[in-house]
Amino acid sequence: SQKIEQNSEALNIQEGKTATLTCNYTNYSPAYLQWYRQDPGRGPVFLLLIRENEKEKRKERLKVTFDTTLKQSLFHITASQPADSATYLCALPLSGGSYIPTFGRGTSLIVHP
Amino acid sequence: SAVISQKPSRDICQRGTSLTIQCQVDSQVTMMFWYRQQPGQSLTLIATANQGSEATYESGFVIDKFPISRPNLTFSTLTVSNMSPEDSSIYLCSAGVSNTEAFFGQGTRLTVV
Repeated sequence: SQKIEQNSEALNIQEGKTATLTCNYTNYSPAYLQWYRQDPGRGPVFLLLIRENEKEKRKERLKVTFDTTLKQSLFHITASQPADSATYLCALPLSGGSYIPTFGRGTSLIVHP
Repeated sequence: SAVISQKPSRDICQRGTSLTIQCQVDSQVTMMFWYRQQPGQSLTLIATANQGSEATYESGFVIDKFPISRPNLTFSTLTVSNMSPEDSSIYLCSAGVSNTEAFFGQGTRLTVV
């Protein structure tokens, strides 16, 4: 099975700056990688999916990169806002051929006004 | 997309008792899953709820402790049996509409005293 590593320390940034979160994985290379947002007391909400043959994916102020050589994904939020404050989870298929997501611990992002 | 309603949203239970958590999806879905999330930790998959057959449990989780039902394509229950304080956690129901995105309920915060 996959081991997924996300920075457990909270990321504090100033409003308007770009937040960059990291997701590293071991073992097999997944067919795709997902990012979710989780607010306190709520379930995760899907944000973006990037496939193994895609280097970069964008959605509004979000950008995700996927480097299968480094076994790493970077998640960027540009022009960050206090409303972006949340925990961001990286998820991969549970195992090769599976489509059940397995999650990293998540990184807490705090955007200060 | 899918909207998932989960109840109860929270409960405080006595050790040795059981609690059944219900999960209702607003549309028919192929896949339903149950996760557990302890404070500051990632989501851990308990089992895949299979319609019309026994659930598929992950390592460390057994049917006697976490019996799961899935009578149709929109509904599932998870029972936490013979509870102990170690079972205190957030339990999340999830449904997959496609094999690339998962939807979550708001979770059930369980405290065992």
